[in-house]
Amino acid sequence: QKEVEQNSGPLSVPEGAIASLNCTYSDRGSQSFFWYRQYSGKSPELIMFIYSNGDKEDGRFTAQLNKASQYVSLLIRDSQPSDSATYLCAPSNQAGTALIFGKGTTLSVSS
Amino acid sequence: NAGVMQNPRHLVRRRGQEARLRCSPMKGHSHVYWYRQLPEEGLKFMVYLQKENIIDESGMPKERFSAEFPKEGPSILRIQQVVRGDSAAYFCASSPSFGGTYSNQPQHFGDGTRLSIL
Repeated sequence: QKEVEQNSGPLSVPEGAIASLNCTYSDRGSQSFFWYRQYSGKSPELIMFIYSNGDKEDGRFTAQLNKASQYVSLLIRDSQPSDSATYLCAPSNQAGTALIFGKGTTLSVSS
Repeated sequence: NAGVMQNPRHLVRRRGQEARLRCSPMKGHSHVYWYRQLPEEGLKFMVYLQKENIIDESGMPKERFSAEFPKEGPSILRIQQVVRGDSAAYFCASSPSFGGTYSNQPQHFGDGTRLSIL
């Protein structure tokens, strides 16, 4: 059974700080990696995706990927209370036909 | 609204009834995915479809569940003879194309259907 592991949290950071969310995955065949944000009772919203080792930046968000370590992370700079949500890590399966979701990390940003 | 459209938003069924969940992909998207989110659980992949074809159904329960994406109209997830354990949020996602293993296209999610079984 392919698995995706995330710390459930809650991860609490003050407003303006950097939030660091981590994820490990077991399927070495995963080649595409996605981060989604899900507010309580709502649908997942795409935040970032990354395909290659290294860093990818988009505004306040930076995704980091290390395929050798089977590790992917999401950094949120200048965290805002509106960033408070559950963040889902989702590598693709080896065939690229599905996403394998972790249970998510709950982030709480206090003002 | 050009997003992924799911209906109904909420569906209540009694045990033994049938549930039909509908999903219209984003404009320009021809690939549809269904996921289920049980209470306190993560999203679990169920099935991936293109028009008139089931590409990957490895996450579908062996019995009572079926999915289709006809040439015309929305994708349908059908659950026959529902049981209490089917109560969950069912999400549909779509992507514009497959993109291949090494550059999987991002999937965009609809608002989901919350299924409750009495």
